[in-house]
Amino acid sequence: QSVLSQPPSASGTPGQRVTISCSGSSSNIGSNNVNWYQQLPGTAPKLLIYNNFQRPSGVADRFSGSKSGSSASLAISGLQSEDEADYYCATWDDSLNGYVLFGGGTKLTVL
Amino acid sequence: QLQLQESGPGLVKPSETLSLTCTVSGGSISRSSYYWGWIRQPPGKGLEWIGSIYYTGSSDYNPSLKSRVTISEDTSKNQVALKLTSVTAADTAVYYCAKQGLRGARDAFDIWGQGTMVTVSS
Repeated sequence: QSVLSQPPSASGTPGQRVTISCSGSSSNIGSNNVNWYQQLPGTAPKLLIYNNFQRPSGVADRFSGSKSGSSASLAISGLQSEDEADYYCATWDDSLNGYVLFGGGTKLTVL
Repeated sequence: QLQLQESGPGLVKPSETLSLTCTVSGGSISRSSYYWGWIRQPPGKGLEWIGSIYYTGSSDYNPSLKSRVTISEDTSKNQVALKLTSVTAADTAVYYCAKQGLRGARDAFDIWGQGTMVTVSS
């Protein structure tokens, strides 16, 4: 079980807005930036959101990130079938001399 | 455009050393503000950070793997290398290399290689 907690699954219908949560603690999310990754089946992860809410060039503005305290969220609006993927949050943890932590991942199904 | 390609043996025997190379094209690994990380993903499971090396030459490792991991760079070949010693079946995974440092976001992996599957088995 990861130190960063994500729901194992989420779902929505096309056009809907869905959110995926990522819960941590003061040593990780509470004091560091959060990044989000999308992993389509059989492919390498792709950076979706960095520094809590910033989008890399080429990422649709349907994807947005936020952070409050020791929790973060990824929101996907106007859900599309191609959004069906695994989503991972990640951040730095300040304990044990510091290390990168990934959440356990959330499988998003578009119904 | 920066591209990363992992390479190495797909099969490693238990107790031996796993060695992988990440070849970077389209840019120099020595560029300041670029960092390079290794991440792995066991079959059907989530992502696990292995470690990173920074343009200064310093490195950080996952505490759970630190005693077995070494990440190094070969600037003459524009490559980043991973060595993991004393492997067991639990080290079976797809291994990815990735670039970090997008606009100062040190821990954001913004460019990934396609990954290479490594199986630990006798």
